[in-house]
Amino acid sequence: SYVLTQPPSVSVAPGQTATITCEADNIGGEGVHWYQQKPGQAPVLVIHDDIDRPSGISGRFSGSNSGNTATLTISRVEAGDEADYYCQVWDTSLDVKVFGSGTKVTVL
Amino acid sequence: QVHLVQSGAEVKKPGASVTVSCKASGYTFSTYGFSWVRQAPGQGLEWMGWISAYNGNTIYAQKFQDRVIMTRDTSTSTVYLTLRSLRFDDTAVYYCARETGRSSRSSYYFQYWGQGTLINVSP
Repeated sequence: SYVLTQPPSVSVAPGQTATITCEADNIGGEGVHWYQQKPGQAPVLVIHDDIDRPSGISGRFSGSNSGNTATLTISRVEAGDEADYYCQVWDTSLDVKVFGSGTKVTVL
Repeated sequence: QVHLVQSGAEVKKPGASVTVSCKASGYTFSTYGFSWVRQAPGQGLEWMGWISAYNGNTIYAQKFQDRVIMTRDTSTSTVYLTLRSLRFDDTAVYYCARETGRSSRSSYYFQYWGQGTLINVSP
């Protein structure tokens, strides 16, 4: 099944741009979804189907997906964006859901 | 407004079983499926399996196939996770997550989550 590889950590200064990658063979052929999880809280969906933002999610969150890499971009990073971020796909061949390993975003 | 409310934390001994409930409200229960996702302390999210709220069909992750049962009760809009033969490494927060219908990229994701239930397996 899919193995989704994310960098363990990303550090970014306030006001700058954070880029979080999610890698797998031909992931561009799948819909990729992204979740934000703050300590002690349940995950929150921030991007679905590669690029779509649920209502209530800041426009500073955007996504892309092509080839072997999906990307979550956080523009104009704020202290409140500090969290763990997970990508997720539906493995159609096995009909299972798969999460990436997670990326801790630290705001300097 | 969709709400998923899970049962409370539990402490269990190795070898025991545990059942976690997740009560849904704010929409027609049978319309969407549910997944169970767990998170061990300091670790990432791990998908355990899926249940159809419509007909009770299930798909389990291979890792849990011999120890997990997922059920649902349409009369109370509640889904249940039962995990048997508990081990120390089953200590985790267990989440229920409501899925969407098939999405624009023909995929499934989790739009709503329960608050999580801590299961502590301790001697």
